[in-house]
Amino acid sequence: AIQLTQSPSSLSASIGDRVIISCRASQDISSALAWYQQKPGKAPKFLIYDVSTLDTGVPSRFSGSGSGTHFTLTISSLQPEDFATYYCQQFNGFPPTFGGGTRVEIK
Amino acid sequence: QVQLHESGPGLVKPSETLSLTCTVSGVSIRSYYWSWVRQPPGKELEWIGYNFNSGSTKYNPSLMSRVTISIDTSKSQFSLELTSVTAADTAVYYCASSYCSSNSCYFDHWGPGTLVTVSS
Repeated sequence: AIQLTQSPSSLSASIGDRVIISCRASQDISSALAWYQQKPGKAPKFLIYDVSTLDTGVPSRFSGSGSGTHFTLTISSLQPEDFATYYCQQFNGFPPTFGGGTRVEIK
Repeated sequence: QVQLHESGPGLVKPSETLSLTCTVSGVSIRSYYWSWVRQPPGKELEWIGYNFNSGSTKYNPSLMSRVTISIDTSKSQFSLELTSVTAADTAVYYCASSYCSSNSCYFDHWGPGTLVTVSS
C-alpha cells in the first residue's frame, strides 16, 4: 500500500496566519490526492480533490498544490473555524490510504 | 444533498460479527460507490471497502477475508459485516459516498460515525 507521511504532525498558529501542511507519498501518485478536515468528535469533511480542486462551498483561503510525491495544503489566512486535524488521502493506488494527520491548534 | 447515517450495536464481543447499516437519503443508492471507513481511537483513517450498484465490491486486502459490504436498494441502505472481531477492530466506523476509478476512491460525503467497541 502507498504510504502518506504528513508534516508537521501538529502546529500552533494564530488567527490570520498562513499555514502550510505537507504530505509526501511513498511512490508517484500523479495528481490523485484529496484533503479532509476533521474536528473533534466529527466526521471528516471533504475539502479538495485532484490536488487542487476545491469541493463546493469550501472557502477560497484553502488551496492545494503539488504532484508526484510531494503535496501541500495551504490555508492563506487562518480563521477560528479552521482549527482542526487535516488528512491527506491518495486515490491512485489500491487500497486508498490516508496520511497520519496534522493537528492545527490555537497559538 | 447526500445524507448518510450509521446504525448498529456499539458493543461487540471478541470473535463475534460486527454488523452496521448506513441509511442513505437525498440521492439514489444506485448512483454512487458506497464505502466504509474506520478510525481507531487516536489513530488515522482506514478504508474498509466499497460496494457499487449491488454488484461490484472491493475490499482492503488487510481485511478482505473478514469483510462483506452489501446494498439493499429497496431500503436505500448499505451494510458492513466484519467477522471474527478482536480489540483491534475497536474504532469509529463511518459510511461514505465515494468517487472511484478502476482501482481507488475518494470520499465526498460522510455519515457522523458510530463507535464500535470490541470487548467481552
